[in-house]
Amino acid sequence: DIQLTQSPSFLSASVGDRVTITCRASQGISTYLAWYQQKPGKAPKFLIYAASTLQSGVPSRFSGSGSGTEFTLTISSLQPEDFATYYCQQLKSYPITFGGGTKVEIK
Amino acid sequence: EVQLLESGGGLVQPGGSLRLSCAASGFAFSNYAMNWVRQSPGKGLEWVSEISGSGGTIYYVDSVKGRFTISRDNSKNTLYLQMNSLRAEDTAVYYCAKDGISGRLQDHMDVWGKGTTVTVSS
Repeated sequence: DIQLTQSPSFLSASVGDRVTITCRASQGISTYLAWYQQKPGKAPKFLIYAASTLQSGVPSRFSGSGSGTEFTLTISSLQPEDFATYYCQQLKSYPITFGGGTKVEIK
Repeated sequence: EVQLLESGGGLVQPGGSLRLSCAASGFAFSNYAMNWVRQSPGKGLEWVSEISGSGGTIYYVDSVKGRFTISRDNSKNTLYLQMNSLRAEDTAVYYCAKDGISGRLQDHMDVWGKGTTVTVSS
């Protein structure tokens, strides 16, 4: 199985900050990576696919990059509605796996 | 509007069974692979199973193989998850999620339901 390791697992930041979350895969997955946002008590919301393609309707302050084994999700200027937990997901092989999550909290 | 609505969750004893349903609307259901993803209390997301649009191709995570069965009824636009021999570690919110691209498997999941809660406890 392909393991995904996210770092940090917890991040404290202020509105307006630039935030970067890293996702590392245990083996190469090309760009078969997606990112999701989840708020407490809610279903995950899809943000990015193919490592860097923004889903329609997602604010442009979100961006993704990377290929192979190292990927990043960047929020260029953190907004109050962005405080949430973020998950990466690999779609290169079964079983589909998720990273452990990164919780972004208000400083 | 594309919508997914899960139902069928509840409290069940260890060793018991439960069938979850996911009613889909707003898109051509039979054209899209569908998934079940679960989240144990306070934990991360775990993919459980995927089924192709036709129902002919199915995948499971190892921990549920032989106990869970995914299926779909395209005439009713409904996805199912039959869960047998339930264990305490199956306690979770179960989400159904739609694949993003028509005709593909192993794809990002662009629409999620609100989830249904399954609790396995005596």
